[in-house]
Amino acid sequence: DAGVIQSPRHEVTEMGQEVTLRCKPISGHDYLFWYRQTMMRGLELLIYFNNNVPIDDSGMPEDRFSAKMPNASFSTLKIQPSEPRDSAVYFCASSSVPGEGHYGYTFGSGTRLTVV
Amino acid sequence: KQEVTQIPAALSVPEGENLVLNCSFTDSAIYNLQWFRQDPGKGLTSLLLIQSSQREQTSGRLNASLDKSSGRSTLYIAASQPGDSATYLCAVRDSGNTPLVFGKGTRLSVIA
Repeated sequence: DAGVIQSPRHEVTEMGQEVTLRCKPISGHDYLFWYRQTMMRGLELLIYFNNNVPIDDSGMPEDRFSAKMPNASFSTLKIQPSEPRDSAVYFCASSSVPGEGHYGYTFGSGTRLTVV
Repeated sequence: KQEVTQIPAALSVPEGENLVLNCSFTDSAIYNLQWFRQDPGKGLTSLLLIQSSQREQTSGRLNASLDKSSGRSTLYIAASQPGDSATYLCAVRDSGNTPLVFGKGTRLSVIA
């Protein structure tokens, strides 16, 4: 398995533009998580899905953020409109159902977003 | 609400030293605990996972211990090497169906 795949690796955009981050989880993993990492706040959970259904989106900072998981192999995180304070590294992670084999997290390489 | 604290925030040691990184969590009723390594500009690599019923896990020069009752975990690195330089993150999962909660990490520098 190629692991969790995120795209793009880097994104530079102007304030006000729409940004879409993409994630392909590990095949067979039932949980998908979106985290944001900044120097000040560390890793923060934004939203997570179980079997493609959003379970908890209380970490999504504002209505400008939205996430979807249309199928088991793809998820998107969208920011519209983007603001400079959204600049961070966004990570996607997936894990299997607890009790079925290894159920630690596997992280993608992240998307470094810069909003100017 | 679970909170995870890692001390120290940064650590610098000479090559060859054995060292201990500390992690504490506020709610001791955890499901499991995971240690990660993060290199600058990179993603997170899982190092060790300890289930709530376990006391420790070992992988090579790494040993992680868990004391649920006191809300603590330690990551022991033996015979440190410059290649061990990275940020080490501790994270806990309160139940099988909840996400990991992360500490802010310890930034380790091993000087040759």
